[in-house]
Amino acid sequence: ETALTQSPGTLSLSPGERATLSCRASQSVSSSYLAWYQQKPGQAPRLLMFGASSRATGIPDRFSGSGSGTDFTLTISRLEPEDFAVYYCQQYGSSLHFGGGTKVEIK
Amino acid sequence: QITLKESGPTLVTPTQTLTLTCTFSGFSLSTSTMGVGWIRQPPGKALEWLALVYWDDDRRYSPSLKSRLTITKDSSNNQVVLTMTNMDPVDTATYFCAHTTYYGSGNLYFFDYWGQGTLVTVSS
Repeated sequence: ETALTQSPGTLSLSPGERATLSCRASQSVSSSYLAWYQQKPGQAPRLLMFGASSRATGIPDRFSGSGSGTDFTLTISRLEPEDFAVYYCQQYGSSLHFGGGTKVEIK
Repeated sequence: QITLKESGPTLVTPTQTLTLTCTFSGFSLSTSTMGVGWIRQPPGKALEWLALVYWDDDRRYSPSLKSRLTITKDSSNNQVVLTMTNMDPVDTATYFCAHTTYYGSGNLYFFDYWGQGTLVTVSS
């Protein structure tokens, strides 16, 4: 069973800065079956990325994903006020697992 | 436009069986590749996948909770029902249903549309 570890737990940044979020899998994720979600307080998660690097419909291009194997990264090139939220990675394929989340907070 | 909405009890007592209904629109579970899953989130904690059903009635469950879960679909009424037996206070969480698409190879995939979630509290 694959475990996903997200780091850091909390990222304190200012609007306009670059955010780099990490998701590490305990075993190789086949076919880059890795998705990223954004969740704001009191809301449902929103799909940002799938296939490690493909943006979901309507997601701005300041969001990008990369990685393969066991190491994946979500990058937000320039943080907008609406980007401060919790981000989850999800491995899919033979089973489904979510990471523990990274909170991006305003510094 | 795909929408989903969860409904069910807000409070259950320990050992009870929880029954949640997901009512959706904008797609049909009779249509090839469509699927609906359930995911939960304890207060302040991470997401946990529970179960998923595809258009062809292929049902998948989280291995850790499989013995307690049953997912069924009612395509004619655009609903998916999740039952979870032997509820415990640790099962207190917001329960989400979400849409997924099957892309082949016998795999499970990501969730692209989510309901707003429903908070279920387990307490005596």
